Parts: sequence; structure tokens; C-alpha cells
Amino acid sequence: GESVGLHLPTLSVQEGDNSIINCAYSNSASDYFIWYKQESGKGPQFIIDIRSNMDKRQGQRVTVLLNKTVKHLSLQIAATQPGDSAVYFCAETGGTASKLTFGTGTRLQVTL
Amino acid sequence: EAGVAQSPRYKIIEKRQSVAFWCNPISGHATLYWYQQILGQGPKLLIQFQNNGVVDDSQLPKDRFSAERLKGVDSTLKIQPAKLEDSAVYLCASSFYENTQYFGPGTRLTVL
Repeated sequence: GESVGLHLPTLSVQEGDNSIINCAYSNSASDYFIWYKQESGKGPQFIIDIRSNMDKRQGQRVTVLLNKTVKHLSLQIAATQPGDSAVYFCAETGGTASKLTFGTGTRLQVTL
Repeated sequence: EAGVAQSPRYKIIEKRQSVAFWCNPISGHATLYWYQQILGQGPKLLIQFQNNGVVDDSQLPKDRFSAERLKGVDSTLKIQPAKLEDSAVYLCASSFYENTQYFGPGTRLTVL
């Protein structure tokens, strides 16, 4: 399939290690944040979300951390697997899941 | 549950030609979005519909782009005439009102 992006920041992680993907946002009024995963040739897929009244939220193998003071968001993936290889986008919005503003994305490469 | 369907998956045209993309959202989703994703970037919202009405088309280049959702279900996005800079992946997403957006696989447009 075609590549989502050729010049994205890339994070290379060994299979089984933990991954941390970072995102800085600029709009201090944003209060709802979402991480999407985009595999080559596919549309973005929802992973996890967090509202601004929280600083941490956990899912299955994924954790999102929110630091509103420095406007920073991170996605942690535990025990990274080859199927986690994709481009990861953070998106922000002002309250609802509509009107999303996407970041530029980070490519995660999982090595065996 | 069937996901968001889009067609065609790929399209190659010459500049100044016209092109149309089709989207069928998830059944029951009132809100439909069209995004443009240029290589290496996150998706950018072009237009948002709720049922058959336009909610936001502030980033749609209306001199050449048009979109409709006449019966509040399927939608088409048209470009006429196309420019080289329109080369991108066009993503359709749908949601139950303002909840989580689910994306289709996209249409890869190449303008020569």
C-alpha cells in the first residue's frame, strides 16, 4: 500500500519494548484529545481519547498522558508488536469529537 | 458493523480535469466529514455535514471544490478543475452526531 508520509518523525522500537509517542498542541482552549493510528493505505483508526479534566487514561496496552501546563500529550504503547507499526496522529478539539485539528504525525517502526 | 465505504480507491487525472469521490457512511451516523490528507501531513477538514445540512465548510476551496449529501446518507465530493496541488488522499469519516469519528480507507488522487 502507499505510504502515509515519507518525511515524518520516526520512532524505531524493538518488538516487546515500550513506545512513547509525543505530541505538542498549541491551542490552550482545546479540551478533548484523541490519538489515531493510520496504517499504510488505510484511514485513521481511533485508539484512545482523553478530556482535559484528566491527566491519564489507560486502555488495552495503551496509555495517554496529558500535561496541560506545557500543552503536551503522549501515547505510551506497552510491549510493542509488529502490528503497531503505523503513523500515529494526535488530534485536538474544543469539547466534542467534531472539528478535529490533527498534528503532523509520528511514524512508529517496530523492529524484530 | 460495516465501516465507512469510499470509492474509487485510486484516481489519476490530468490538471484541469474534473473528478468525483463517493462516500457511504456507517449506518445511522448523522454526521459526515470530508478531509484532505497531503502526503506527510495530518488530515485537514474540508467540509462537515449533519444529516443533509452543511455545518462547516470554512476550509473548502469553493471555487473548485463542491460536496453534497442530498438525502442525508451518501455524499460526493467533486473537484473541477483539478490542480496539481490537489494531489492527496481524500478521507471520508462519519460519526453519531458529535461522537467519535470513524474513517474510510480514502481515495488517493494523483493530478498530473
